[in-house]
Amino acid sequence: QVPLVESGGGVVQPGRSLRLSCAASGLTFSSYAMHWVRQAPGKGLEWVAVISFDGSHKYSADSVKGRFSISRDNSKNTVFLQMNSLRAEDTATYYCARDLGCSNISCHGNAFDIWGQGTMVVVSS
Amino acid sequence: SSELTQDPAVSVALGQTVRITCQGDSLRTYYAGWFQQKPGQAPVIVIYDENIRPSGIADRFSGSSSGNTASLTITGAQAEDEADYYCNSRDRSGNHWVFGGGTKLTVL
Repeated sequence: QVPLVESGGGVVQPGRSLRLSCAASGLTFSSYAMHWVRQAPGKGLEWVAVISFDGSHKYSADSVKGRFSISRDNSKNTVFLQMNSLRAEDTATYYCARDLGCSNISCHGNAFDIWGQGTMVVVSS
Repeated sequence: SSELTQDPAVSVALGQTVRITCQGDSLRTYYAGWFQQKPGQAPVIVIYDENIRPSGIADRFSGSSSGNTASLTITGAQAEDEADYYCNSRDRSGNHWVFGGGTKLTVL
C-alpha cells in the first residue's frame, strides 16, 4: 500500500486551471503539515506550498502566490493543490510530502518523511 | 535563485567517505533535511532535523551542522549511493521552505 498517492496531473493549456489531489492511507495524516514540492524536467526540487495540520495556516512560494492555493480535507485524508492561471514554467512533476517536523504539537522541525510518487503537469498550447 | 547553495557535483571512490555541503543563512536558525533522489524516483529522506536518521536508512549516512553550513556525510560510500542529493530548510521568514540546487554524487 502506497502511503501517499497524487492524482490530477495532465496536459493543460496556458491560462487554464488544474486541481491536484494527494490521498493518504495507512499513515497518520491529520496531525501533520503537508507540503507540495515540484520538479521541472531535468531540474531540482522546488518547494511550492504548505498547509498546517488543521488547515488554519497556509503559505506558498512567491512563484505561485496568487495563482495556486493549498487546502486539505482531514475527513478524507486528502490534500489538494488548486492551480490557476497556469504557465509553461509550471510544467513539472508535483509531489506531496508529509512533514513529521510540523505537527499539532509543535512546528519547529524539518522532516519531509513520506513522499508520493508524483503526478506530472504539462502546460502547453 | 535558491537560498541554499550546494556543489553541483561530487565524486567519491567506492568505500571512501564523502561530505556533501549546503550553505545558507537560514541554517543558523533552522534544521536541515537531506534527500536522496535516483532517476525516475521520488525523493527519499535520509536525514531530518539536521542529524536524525530515519529507520531503514543505512547508518553510513550522517548529518551535521555548523554555522551557516549543513553537511551530509556518507562513510564508506556504496555503488547504490550514486544519486542526486538535496538539502532543504526553512527560509529566513520561517514560514517558507527552500531546497538547495542539488548535488550529483558519482561513486567511482
